[in-house]
Amino acid sequence: KNEVEQSPQNLTAQEGEFITINCSYSVGISALHWLQQHPGGGIVSLFMLSSGKKKHGRLIATINIQEKHSSLHITASHPRDSAVYICAVRGNTDKLIFGTGTRLQVFP
Amino acid sequence: EAQVTQNPRYLITVTGKKLTVTCSQNMNHEYMSWYRQDPGLGLRQIYYSMNVEVTDKGDVPEGYKVSRKEKRNFPLILESPSPNQTSLYFCASSLRVFLNEQFFGPGTRLTVL
Repeated sequence: KNEVEQSPQNLTAQEGEFITINCSYSVGISALHWLQQHPGGGIVSLFMLSSGKKKHGRLIATINIQEKHSSLHITASHPRDSAVYICAVRGNTDKLIFGTGTRLQVFP
Repeated sequence: EAQVTQNPRYLITVTGKKLTVTCSQNMNHEYMSWYRQDPGLGLRQIYYSMNVEVTDKGDVPEGYKVSRKEKRNFPLILESPSPNQTSLYFCASSLRVFLNEQFFGPGTRLTVL
């Protein structure tokens, strides 16, 4: 079993829909990262969380430390949100452990 | 502009021919890391560096070497590349290892024939 599991693996949506991507992890962590990988391959950091909730534009990330679970929400989705979203956790070591990603396609 | 640069962006080579992928950041970051990304496996850490002259193995270090002689540079060296090292490679940096955003380079697509 992977230490970081994401669901769903693939997600399609119509423009305007509310989207949720989930990340569960099995290790103790000091921080959790949400990353976005564009179709061209570039990776951008969206959020880094150690507790609570963060919001940036239409994106909201939450984390529940007790349940070892995080969610990434996209409100009013748009085709330009189409990308792979990757969850990564930093445990009590210096390493990042990555989930395998959620591929999101938003259709007009 | 704050950025992480990698070169080359694309490389096709043959088995056994030594190569180096360069990584440089202009943000005075202490922490730098190399990852490879393979279909179905996601990103996996190869090596990382907490600061100058401090490097350590990640999850898949076999067949790779790194050095950190200067804070801004963190080259990845493949002494004798093999086809199973065909992959997409990313360099990343952050101010410090904990509780800091990671900045990723644009990626290097390597094919070893």
